[in-house]
Amino acid sequence: EAGVAQSPRYKIIEKRQSVAFWCNPISGHATLYWYQQILGQGPKLLIQFQNNGVVDDSQLPKDRFSAERLKGVDSTLKIQPAKLEDSAVYLCASSPRRGLSGEQYFGPGTRLTVT
Amino acid sequence: AQSVAQPEDQVNVAEGNPLTVKCTYSVSGNPYLFWYVQYPNRGLQFLLKYITGDNLVKGSYGFEAEFNKSQTSFHLKKPSALVSDSALYFCAVRDGEGYSSASKIIFGSGTRLSIRP
Repeated sequence: EAGVAQSPRYKIIEKRQSVAFWCNPISGHATLYWYQQILGQGPKLLIQFQNNGVVDDSQLPKDRFSAERLKGVDSTLKIQPAKLEDSAVYLCASSPRRGLSGEQYFGPGTRLTVT
Repeated sequence: AQSVAQPEDQVNVAEGNPLTVKCTYSVSGNPYLFWYVQYPNRGLQFLLKYITGDNLVKGSYGFEAEFNKSQTSFHLKKPSALVSDSALYFCAVRDGEGYSSASKIIFGSGTRLSIRP
């Protein structure tokens, strides 16, 4: 079974520029998550999708971050405009279960550096 | 609101010795508890989880964790450490009461485990 795919793996941009990340979850996984992991910290949930609907985006900075999951499969996360504090690894994860007890399967992440 | 704490930034153990990585949590309802491991340049991998039942949970790579309700802890353990166990370990908690945005999964800050030969 193929794992969660993310691209690009690395991205360097200047502040105020825009950037987009792509995630392809494991086939058949209904739930998709985007996390932000700042160096030295644990992952912080940005947004959770159930199929193509948003379940939780309470920690997503909506003035600059947006995400979509068209057709309930692939997802993109966009930052516009980027700030220096957005430098982090952005992790995508998926889960086959709708409920709370399911483990998550993580992609390798995209390392974003904002200069 | 739920929270999780990993009090040790780093744990150093000699190969062959037992290891413990500590985790304490706070939730309003029944906890769902998880351990994940992160190897360099790789995503997090699921190790084990506690939902209900036996307090001792066994997981991947010979790891186990003990749920202690009175101490609100979920420490990760392994009887005999391997050099290949060296990685970053994350404890995570979810409030099992209800299915809403209030029950999101929260990760600890991570503990770096270093196993010396």
